[in-house]
Amino acid sequence: AQSVTQLGSHVSVSEGALVLLRCNYSSSVPPYLFWYVQYPNQGLQLLLKYTTGATLVKGINGFEAEFKKSETSFHLTKPSAHMSDAAEYFCAVTSGGGGYQKVTFGIGTKLQVIP
Amino acid sequence: EPEVTQTPSHQVTQMGQEVILRCVPISNHLYFYWYRQILGQKVEFLVSFYNNEISEKSEIFDDQFSVERPDGSNFTLKIRSTKLEDSAMYFCASIGPRTSGKLTDTQYFGPGTRLTVL
Repeated sequence: AQSVTQLGSHVSVSEGALVLLRCNYSSSVPPYLFWYVQYPNQGLQLLLKYTTGATLVKGINGFEAEFKKSETSFHLTKPSAHMSDAAEYFCAVTSGGGGYQKVTFGIGTKLQVIP
Repeated sequence: EPEVTQTPSHQVTQMGQEVILRCVPISNHLYFYWYRQILGQKVEFLVSFYNNEISEKSEIFDDQFSVERPDGSNFTLKIRSTKLEDSAMYFCASIGPRTSGKLTDTQYFGPGTRLTVL
């Protein structure tokens, strides 16, 4: 069984400020972890993923996330927020080693960027 | 870059009517999925499909739902008699092999079909 907890359903940051979106996971097997972004009225776009290897992963649009096994966390960060980052962000987990497994999503965090 | 496509983008139907949502997965992909997202809620898994049969389904996927791969390219979700609570965004996803033959580790999602049941 696997689950994802995203702390903060809404996060507001000022343009140029650090973005930190929190994600904790639970998985009985080594997980694959993902962040997806959803812009208004659009589908799910993969931001970044962790499968194996380097625990700090970089994604598109300047985002990165660090897999911390001891903390069961996979927080998403970006050093400087841009207005175009306003969207909803979903953390997701699937069982590692088998890409055919279903994806379990968190509730999502809506990011608001204040000019 | 190949992508998953879905039609229609928006479907409006009357309660009790049948709807078919269509998806064209990436061409060499092997596993296919449907997820749904009720407005304001998280994305939920409905069903996975491999080798022309359901490999896993959630408790949401009851007898009103069915999936089919009628030909080599389309993957459909049918809701037999729609209810108000079926109103949601429905996402199709697929996963397929790397060139080495092993599965990739990422599901690719389509843009979604917004279903509105009146």
